[in-house]
Amino acid sequence: KNEVEQSPQNLTAQEGEFITINCSYSVGISALHWLQQHPGGGIVSLFMLSSGKKKHGRLIATINIQEKHSSLHITASHPRDSAVYICAVKKGGSEKLVFGKGTKLTVNP
Amino acid sequence: EPEVTQTPSHQVTQMGQEVILRCVPISNHLYFYWYRQILGQKVEFLVSFYNNEISEKSEIFDDQFSVERPDGSNFTLKIRSTKLEDSAMYFCASSPDRTEYSPLHFGNGTRLTVT
Repeated sequence: KNEVEQSPQNLTAQEGEFITINCSYSVGISALHWLQQHPGGGIVSLFMLSSGKKKHGRLIATINIQEKHSSLHITASHPRDSAVYICAVKKGGSEKLVFGKGTKLTVNP
Repeated sequence: EPEVTQTPSHQVTQMGQEVILRCVPISNHLYFYWYRQILGQKVEFLVSFYNNEISEKSEIFDDQFSVERPDGSNFTLKIRSTKLEDSAMYFCASSPDRTEYSPLHFGNGTRLTVT
């Protein structure tokens, strides 16, 4: 069983729509990361959370430690948001990140 | 904004050959990592490195792999005798510390193709 599960696997939206990507994990963590991977392959860190909520521009990330669940929201989505969004957790006592399989987001104009 | 730099962006090699993937982490960072992503699969941890020694490694990181920080700036991953299944995108990452508040900065990756 994967320690980090994301849903949906693929998501297609129209420009302007509100997007939600979900991440559930089954292990104790010290932090959760949301990352963006562009078609060329490069990975960019969007958020790092250990509790609560963070906002950066049109992106909002929340985490519920008790429920072992995090969400990434994109408001007023735009075609340039098209990418793979990846959830990764840092397990307690470890330095490594454990990655989910990613959610491929396509925003159509 | 400072960034992690990886070279080359694409490396093609024959099975059995040695390859060295190079990374220049952000200058004031102390923790360094290698991850890999086989095409179509999720990103996997290989190794973490601090204070000139490996601090954690995965089962993937067997005797064929080694890491080194030969000078004050470069961080390298060596694969001694490449296999077809080593074909993947290899990402270097660095962070200033290893607390849960520490951001992780990734390079753009080196795509390794073993033929």
